[in-house]
Amino acid sequence: EVQLVQSGAEVKKPGESLKISCKGSGYSFSNYWIGWVRQMPGKGLEWMGIIYPGDSDTRYRPSFQGQVTISADKSISTAYLQWSSLKASDTAMYYCARQSSGSYYDPQDYWGQGTLVTVSS
Amino acid sequence: EIVMTQSPATLSVSPGGGATLSCRASQIINNNVAWYQQKPGQAPRLLIYGASTRATGIPARFSGRGSGTDFTLTIRSLQSEDFAVYYCQQYNNWPPGGSFGGGTKVEIK
Repeated sequence: EVQLVQSGAEVKKPGESLKISCKGSGYSFSNYWIGWVRQMPGKGLEWMGIIYPGDSDTRYRPSFQGQVTISADKSISTAYLQWSSLKASDTAMYYCARQSSGSYYDPQDYWGQGTLVTVSS
Repeated sequence: EIVMTQSPATLSVSPGGGATLSCRASQIINNNVAWYQQKPGQAPRLLIYGASTRATGIPARFSGRGSGTDFTLTIRSLQSEDFAVYYCQQYNNWPPGGSFGGGTKVEIK
């Protein structure tokens, strides 16, 4: 059974750093693009970026380039989303999601349960 | 970047009734459209891909159609578990991962 299990909720202060994770199981983690989706409170879904764990090829949506870092460790089947300096506007639910096949131009067939990040002074 | 526009924003439907949700793309995207369902407190779930193919385990009361720039999701005989927010997504073009519409909330009338 394919599963994506994300790390738990975080409460941080502005300016702090954070790294959240998404661990895949039940499939060949290296061979599927996996990405991160932001959902701000009461709002819709936004793709942030995507990574191919096999070679760490990473693509960012322009509005998120330089704001976050996406990485992966294929040896432990885990993808990461990282901030170096959080802002209050980063408060959101973050989902990881797997592309359904080998292309990043594909729908997402499996999703993590979400990680709620709250940034408040 | 392709913009996906969903309408209406909210749809009030009686249980057992039908619902038709619309999604329009700002450019031709062939049939590379997916639909997702999101219930409160849950992650999105893939319903339809390729504009009309149901994902694994999705009931036949969900159907999708369209091509080019205009797409619809139809839900027949709404069950209580179908009241949720529905998002369309194009995955034909940039950005990688696709772009989502703003969502349609299907609520109980």
